[in-house]
Amino acid sequence: SQKIEQNSEALNIQEGKTATLTCNYTNYSPAYLQWYRQDPGRGPVFLLLIRENEKEKRKERLKVTFDTTLKQSLFHITASQPADSATYLCALDPNNYGQNFVFGPGTRLSVLP
Amino acid sequence: SAVISQKPSRDICQRGTSLTIQCQVDSQVTMMFWYRQQPGQSLTLIATANQGSEATYESGFVIDKFPISRPNLTFSTLTVSNMSPEDSSIYLCSVIYNEKLFFGSGTQLSVL
Repeated sequence: SQKIEQNSEALNIQEGKTATLTCNYTNYSPAYLQWYRQDPGRGPVFLLLIRENEKEKRKERLKVTFDTTLKQSLFHITASQPADSATYLCALDPNNYGQNFVFGPGTRLSVLP
Repeated sequence: SAVISQKPSRDICQRGTSLTIQCQVDSQVTMMFWYRQQPGQSLTLIATANQGSEATYESGFVIDKFPISRPNLTFSTLTVSNMSPEDSSIYLCSVIYNEKLFFGSGTQLSVL
């Protein structure tokens, strides 16, 4: 069956450390994968998109990798700050039609001061 | 990008009643999406709403329970009908722009 998994439901790290979140998928062949941030009581906010032919994408303190062989994406936040505390969701477009996106369960990140 | 205004932001409703959620987008879009996020869970797509045609519902969701209107390219409504406590969730509308999803702020629905 098709599914998306994220490595842990919750992750606690110390301020200043690098947070690494994992997204694994099964029985999909997405052309790209996305990461979103969701704060309590708010809708998800787009962070990064990485395509199947891109190994790595960066945006300020964020870095995403995409390994289509392992069917895995890693999301890194370097020099983490308490303001980075949120739930992070990975998402993919299973049919590559630009609709019907499927979301992972999310990882709730807490950055401790 | 796209800015989406969604209302109400929250509501508490009685069992058996219906609630209509509205979403207004600041630009014209072909498709609007409605998601449900049950407590502690991720987003599940309810339906895709196209202007001028009936919405396309995902497996497990039916029009009688979640009727959708899409009168123009900037507006859509989702009604949660004959509510039960199991319908308590966050409901989110969304649009896609340049392969990215933009979301409204969500409607927190509690059914007593």
